Amino acid sequence: KQEVTQIPAALSVPEGENLVLNCSFTDSAIYNLQWFRQDPGKGLTSLLLIQSSQREQTSGRLNASLDKSSGRSTLYIAASQPGDSATYLCAVPLNTGTASKLTFGTGTRLQVTL
Amino acid sequence: GAGVSQSPRYKVAKRGQDVALRCDPISGHVSLFWYQQALGQGPEFLTYFQNEAQLDKSGLPSDRFFAERPEGSVSTLKIQRTQQEDSAVYLCASSSFVYEQYFGPGTRLTVT
Repeated sequence: KQEVTQIPAALSVPEGENLVLNCSFTDSAIYNLQWFRQDPGKGLTSLLLIQSSQREQTSGRLNASLDKSSGRSTLYIAASQPGDSATYLCAVPLNTGTASKLTFGTGTRLQVTL
Repeated sequence: GAGVSQSPRYKVAKRGQDVALRCDPISGHVSLFWYQQALGQGPEFLTYFQNEAQLDKSGLPSDRFFAERPEGSVSTLKIQRTQQEDSAVYLCASSSFVYEQYFGPGTRLTVT
């Protein structure tokens, strides 16, 4: 059974700092990994999706990396801003095929302070 | 609309009542998923539709939970005889054939 772990569970950083969020998974036979953002009381916003053939994916100040062999992904946020405060979740699909149910980590709750 | 929508956004039910939660996926998305998110946890898979066919319902916690998507677009998740442990946020997601799932804002269910 696939298990997804995220550390740290919570993180507080001052504005402007660069930071890294970690995601690990037990079954390396994945074909993609997706990072989401969740604001309090809201749904999930997709940030980045990395295919298994990719090692990195970038969107603005966000960079996600994937190392399948070690079962790890990182989300790098550059020059953090208070608006980045949210919970960040990683998820991997459970089955191959056209669409698959996602297994989520428990998330990292990020607070960026002024 | 451009995104996934869900209604109601909030629902308070007395223990034992039946509830129905609606999901409108992105137009043209053949795949639709329901997830349950308990407080402080990541979402957990409930069930999956491809068009109108329910291909996986392995995550439904009991036979009190029932989902349908009769015309391959809008979906309804029904919970019968609600219990306090059903209190959670219920998230709907849809996807096309490119795997990325797009989530709605969720329905927060509180059972009193």
